[in-house]
Amino acid sequence: DFQMTQSPSTLSASVGDRVTITCRASQSISTWLVWYQHKPGKAPKLLITKASSLESGVPSRFSGSGSGTEFTLTISSLQPDDFATYYCQYSDTFGQGTKLEIK
Amino acid sequence: EVKLMESGGTLVQPGGSLRLSCAASGFTFYSYNMNWVRQAPGRGLEWVSAIDPGAGSTFYADSVRGRFTISRDNSKATLFLQMNTLRAEDTAIYYCARRTDYSSTYHMDVWGKGTTVTVSS
Repeated sequence: DFQMTQSPSTLSASVGDRVTITCRASQSISTWLVWYQHKPGKAPKLLITKASSLESGVPSRFSGSGSGTEFTLTISSLQPDDFATYYCQYSDTFGQGTKLEIK
Repeated sequence: EVKLMESGGTLVQPGGSLRLSCAASGFTFYSYNMNWVRQAPGRGLEWVSAIDPGAGSTFYADSVRGRFTISRDNSKATLFLQMNTLRAEDTAIYYCARRTDYSSTYHMDVWGKGTTVTVSS
């Protein structure tokens, strides 16, 4: 079965830190990777499509990269609003999520 | 404003049935594939079901196939999820989401805030 594996599961960081979340696909998906941000009680928010294309309105501190089976989501300087859970997705498969917590 | 709003979630006993609705506004609903996605307590996002614009094609996760039925009424811009033979493991927040398809995949650019289904005796 096709799988998406995210790491780490939990990430503790401080405001201003640079953080990177990794997503690995069990087979090559070219650059067809999507990233979402999800906060409790809110609708998930689309951040990045096609591995690196930032959605309109998403702050430029967010960036995505990768191709094939390995992808990263980077937040260059964490802001208080960024503490949330992040998911990667390809087709009907999500990664298990990375919870970004305040250190 | 582009918007999706789910409703119909409640407490239901194991083996029971429930129908969720998702009202769309602000876009041409009949042009889009639509998804249901759920999040069980303490778990991540899980794709549940999908339907094409004309409701001619429907798709289901293995965990719900044969028990859930997705449908839509384009005249009312509303998406539905009929849930039968509910199990405790179906307890989750259920989200509807608009899909934009391309190549072998898609992204979901509009989501509702979700409706909570609790299956318990």
